Amino acid sequence: DAGVTQSPTHLIKTRGQQVTLRCSPKSGHDTVSWYQQALGQGPQFIFQYYEEEERQRGNFPDRFSGHQFPNYSSELNVNALLLGDSALYLCASSREGRGSGETQYFGPGTRLLVL
Amino acid sequence: SQKIEQNSEALNIQEGKTATLTCNYTNYSPAYLQWYRQDPGRGPVFLLLIRENEKEKRKERLKVTFDTTLKQSLFHITASQPADSATYLCALDGDYGQNFVFGPGTRLSVLP
Repeated sequence: DAGVTQSPTHLIKTRGQQVTLRCSPKSGHDTVSWYQQALGQGPQFIFQYYEEEERQRGNFPDRFSGHQFPNYSSELNVNALLLGDSALYLCASSREGRGSGETQYFGPGTRLLVL
Repeated sequence: SQKIEQNSEALNIQEGKTATLTCNYTNYSPAYLQWYRQDPGRGPVFLLLIRENEKEKRKERLKVTFDTTLKQSLFHITASQPADSATYLCALDGDYGQNFVFGPGTRLSVLP
């Protein structure tokens, strides 16, 4: 079992550009959540996808969007990048959506640097 | 707004002692509280989950307590080892409609 995988591992972009990050969930998991973690802080919840729909969303602007595919993999898109978007982006997978107390399994993250 | 605080940014203890980390929260009604470990440059790794109706949970050298009246969780690592050095995150998981919320983390250093 490969666990949660994310690509790419590192990315450098300039302000105003757009970026797409990818995540493959752990085998048997159908729910994917995305988090942003700034240096020295805890992860901040961006949104969660279940059954190919955005189920919950944190306090992030519409520049952050996502998608979940039929095979449960997911993408995070960020438009009009700002310097403040520089962070570690984490993907986590779990089973059966929210509220069930299911453990989340995290990927290694994508380190995004915006210049 | 929801707020989670962890007792300190960093905690240094001597090998063999018990490390105690604190997680306090406000404006949240968690159904579950989870503790994660995160090593530098890596994603968090799940350690323990405790439900709102549970007072204490143990797993090997780890113990978690959960007091919903005080809105506090304590995380203990007994017989600490240098390999336990990492950042420990608490996270609140509520019913549907409440977002999953992480605390800022406590960086634990176990000195040999």
